[in-house]
Amino acid sequence: TQLLEQSPQFLSIQEGENLTVYCNSSSVFSSLQWYRQEPGEGPVLLVTVVTGGEVKKLKRLTFQFGDARKDSSLHITAAQPGDTGLYLCAGVYNFNKFYFGSGTKLNVKP
Amino acid sequence: GAVVSQHPSWVICKSGTSVKIECRSLDFQATTMFWYRQFPKQSLMLMATSNEGSKATYEQGVEKDKFLINHASLTLSTLTVTSAHPEDSSFYICSADSRLAGGPDTQYFGPGTRLTVL
Repeated sequence: TQLLEQSPQFLSIQEGENLTVYCNSSSVFSSLQWYRQEPGEGPVLLVTVVTGGEVKKLKRLTFQFGDARKDSSLHITAAQPGDTGLYLCAGVYNFNKFYFGSGTKLNVKP
Repeated sequence: GAVVSQHPSWVICKSGTSVKIECRSLDFQATTMFWYRQFPKQSLMLMATSNEGSKATYEQGVEKDKFLINHASLTLSTLTVTSAHPEDSSFYICSADSRLAGGPDTQYFGPGTRLTVL
């Protein structure tokens, strides 16, 4: 059973386009994290959101945590080929147990 | 920053043999480490939580007798895949909780180990 559902599963866009990835669950998290993973490597943390309604920006990436702390979104502005990768959200339970979302594979074409 | 290493980075073994994978926190201590498995084009699935000095906690559906976990020190956890079969072929990733070392409330991930069972 997947606790966290991400959508879309796959996304192929042209350089310069904007995109949004969603992470949804019926469960409440103590916090939520977003990762990016390259093939054959471990995931790399992008951001942690803790407070319901929180918005964090990391250059062209904007992360939002839902008011009820059950969902989150990642918005990328003016995507670049270097943004290509697998994006994973992870819900944190009991402050140290992580469950990963189903993943969104992003391909940005030059 | 906190660094977690895994060894080996990849391994190929024959069906029926056992394989040990090491996970080390290089510059911090971790009372808790986590083991994940990732099949091609899929997300990470938590297999077990490894606690230093005590028995690991396994997620539902993960065979504890097949995936032996030992967390012998604050910087090392090992995962042994016993009597490996081709369906065990996967990418195994560990992570370490850095809070004991005063780190942030997060995990640091290793680079992963690619296991192929022939």
